[in-house]
Amino acid sequence: GAVVSQHPSRVICKSGTSVKIECRSLDFQATTMFWYRQFPKQSLMLMATSNEGSKATYEQGVEKDKFLINHASLTLSTLTVTSAHPEDSSFYICSARDHGRPNTEAFFGQGTRLTVV
Amino acid sequence: AQKITQTQPGMFVQEKEAVTLDCTYDTSDPSYGLFWYKQPSSGEMIFLIYQGSYDQQNATEGRYSLNFQKARKSANLVISASQLGDSAMYFCALLPLSGGSYIPTFGRGTSLIVHP
Repeated sequence: GAVVSQHPSRVICKSGTSVKIECRSLDFQATTMFWYRQFPKQSLMLMATSNEGSKATYEQGVEKDKFLINHASLTLSTLTVTSAHPEDSSFYICSARDHGRPNTEAFFGQGTRLTVV
Repeated sequence: AQKITQTQPGMFVQEKEAVTLDCTYDTSDPSYGLFWYKQPSSGEMIFLIYQGSYDQQNATEGRYSLNFQKARKSANLVISASQLGDSAMYFCALLPLSGGSYIPTFGRGTSLIVHP
C-alpha cells in the first residue's frame, strides 16, 4: 500500500521556539494533504487542508500565523508550529490521498508527539 | 455537511470472541466512502476496511467485515475471533466522493479492550 512518512515522531522543544514537522508521500503524488491534531483519548481534529502550490485552507479556530503550512511539491507538506507554548503540546498527524486513486482511503503518517516545555 | 457518530466510547470483549463496533453517519452526498481505522497506543493510524456507498456487497478483509446498512445509514465494524493485539482505538470515517472536497470526517472513536 501507499506510504506516508512523517518526521519527527517525537520532539521536545522549549517554549518560544518553532518546530517543523514534515509529511512525505513516498510512492504517490498527493495534491492534497491534511493536518490533524489529536488530544489524548479524543478524535482527530482537522486543522487544515494543504494544497500543492497554493495556500492552505484552515479550519475555523485554527491560527494561520501559529500553524504555518507549506505544500511546496506533490510529495511534501510541512507544518511549522511557531513560537510554541505548552498548550501546543499534542499529537499531530498528517494524511494524504492518492491523486490518481480518488476513491481510496487516506494514508496516514506515523504522527508527531510534540511536547513544549 | 457530514457527520459520523460512534456511540460506544469503550468496549470489552473476550479473546477469540466476535465484537461489533457501531458507526452511524449522515451525509447529503450521493456518493461516499466509509472507512475504519485502528489506532494502537503508538499513535499510528492503520487502515482496516473500506465500503463504497454503491458497493452491493459488504466489505470484508480477513477478520474484519463491515455491516453496511445504507437505509439505516450505519456501517458497523465486525471483528471476528478477537486477539489481544486488537486492543486499540477504532475510528470510523466518512469521505464524500462527489462535489470535489474529498475531506474525510472522523467519529469520536471507540476504545476496544480484549481480555485474555
